[in-house]
Amino acid sequence: AQTVTQSQPEMSVQEAETVTLSCTYDTSESDYYLFWYKQPPSRQMILVIRQEAYKQQNATENRFSVNFQKAAKSFSLKISDSQLGDAAMYFCAYRSAGAGNMLTFGGGTRLMVKP
Amino acid sequence: EADIYQTPRYLVIGTGKKITLECSQTMGHDKMYWYQQDPGMELHLIHYSYGVNSTEKGDLSSESTVSRIRTEHFPLTLESARPSHTSQYLCASSLGVSETQYFGPGTRLLVL
Repeated sequence: AQTVTQSQPEMSVQEAETVTLSCTYDTSESDYYLFWYKQPPSRQMILVIRQEAYKQQNATENRFSVNFQKAAKSFSLKISDSQLGDAAMYFCAYRSAGAGNMLTFGGGTRLMVKP
Repeated sequence: EADIYQTPRYLVIGTGKKITLECSQTMGHDKMYWYQQDPGMELHLIHYSYGVNSTEKGDLSSESTVSRIRTEHFPLTLESARPSHTSQYLCASSLGVSETQYFGPGTRLLVL
């Protein structure tokens, strides 16, 4: 079974600075997808970024980018120019490329943004 | 922004009551999911459906049941609510096997 680990329960960053959230996963599969979801106080899960394991290029979405290290099974999220609205819980998630489409979530990292 | 809706958003109810949490999506997604999330914790899959008349149990055992009579609708029912059912319930949907899951706003359930 796959597992996803987020080793940082809480992180804080100064507004306009850059922060990196860590995520590692364990799998024996070669084809899979990785996601970062954001969950603000409203509790709705919002997709931040998605990475296909077969793509070597790191995904980027505006101020959000990932550092995907397949051999190391690492998938960190970098938030540049942090904004107050970035404060939320961030969840890393894994999904096999095979049938099922089941998401396995990490335990989450609470990000605080200081003005 | 995804068009997936959940009602009610908040529910406080007494032990022993029957409750149904509603989830609807207007995107034509064939796959739908229910997750349970305790405060500050990760999400756990409790039910999923690949299409009409298809329902399966997820990784986390749950006393709830689900039905999928229409593509757009995936309600979750608890026949007799207990305080241990207090949690947040998140519904999600996706189109096809390789597509991203989009989440609804969630229902926060408190059973007294």
